[in-house]
Amino acid sequence: NAGVTQTPKFQVLKTGQSMTLQCAQDMNHEYMSWYRQDPGMGLRLIHYSVGAGITDQGEVPNGYNVSRSTTEDFPLRLLSAAPSQTSVYFCASSYTDVRYNSPLHFGNGTRLTVT
Amino acid sequence: KNQVEQSPQSLIILEGKNCTLQCNYTVSPFSNLRWYKQDTGRGPVSLTIMTFSENTKSNGRYTATLDADTKQSSLHITASQLSDSASYICVVSVRDTGRRALTFGSGTRLQVQP
Repeated sequence: NAGVTQTPKFQVLKTGQSMTLQCAQDMNHEYMSWYRQDPGMGLRLIHYSVGAGITDQGEVPNGYNVSRSTTEDFPLRLLSAAPSQTSVYFCASSYTDVRYNSPLHFGNGTRLTVT
Repeated sequence: KNQVEQSPQSLIILEGKNCTLQCNYTVSPFSNLRWYKQDTGRGPVSLTIMTFSENTKSNGRYTATLDADTKQSSLHITASQLSDSASYICVVSVRDTGRRALTFGSGTRLQVQP
C-alpha cells in the first residue's frame, strides 16, 4: 500500500510564483486535509475535505486553494507565494471525519521555501 | 481557546532507559486524544487513540494514559531503542466539526543515545 503520497518532496519558489502541491491516497478515505508545520508550533489546518466535491477552510486558509474532484486526490494550490508560506506541508487522510476515532494517515511532506 | 501543551520540549535518554512524556490540554468538548510519532523528515504516524472512557492503552513498548478529569495524558516508553528518537505529538479531538476538530501540541523531541 502506498498510503498517502505527496509530491514534490522539496520546492523552492520566488515570491509571487504559484504552484500546486499534489496529494493522493489509495485507501478510499473520505476525509482529506492539508496542514503546515512550522518550528515550535503544532500542525495547523489549512483546508480539509469530507468527500469528493466538498471542501472547507481550516485555521490558516489565506493564500491557499484546494479542490476535490475525486476521492483519491486533494491538491493544494499556492496562488502567489510569500516568504511567510515557507513551511513543511503535510497532507493527511482518514477513513471518517476526525471527530471520530479514526487515525489520520500522513504523507511524508513537502518542504517549501519561498525566497 | 483550545490548547495542548506538551512537556518537556526535548529530552535525551540512554538506550534501554524508560521515559515519560506529558500532555496537558484545555479542549472542550473532548472526543479523543491521540499520540503520534514523527521521525525526522517524515510525516507523523499514529501510536494510540484514546476515548474518554479509556485510562490506559498500549502499543508495544508505548503506553499512553489518560486522566479526563485533570485533562492530562502521558506517553511512557519502556526500554528505549535508538529508533525511538523522534518527535512525539499529542493531539486532542473535539466533538465538533471542521476546522476546530483537532488541536495539535508542538511536540516533545526525544533523543535516545547509545
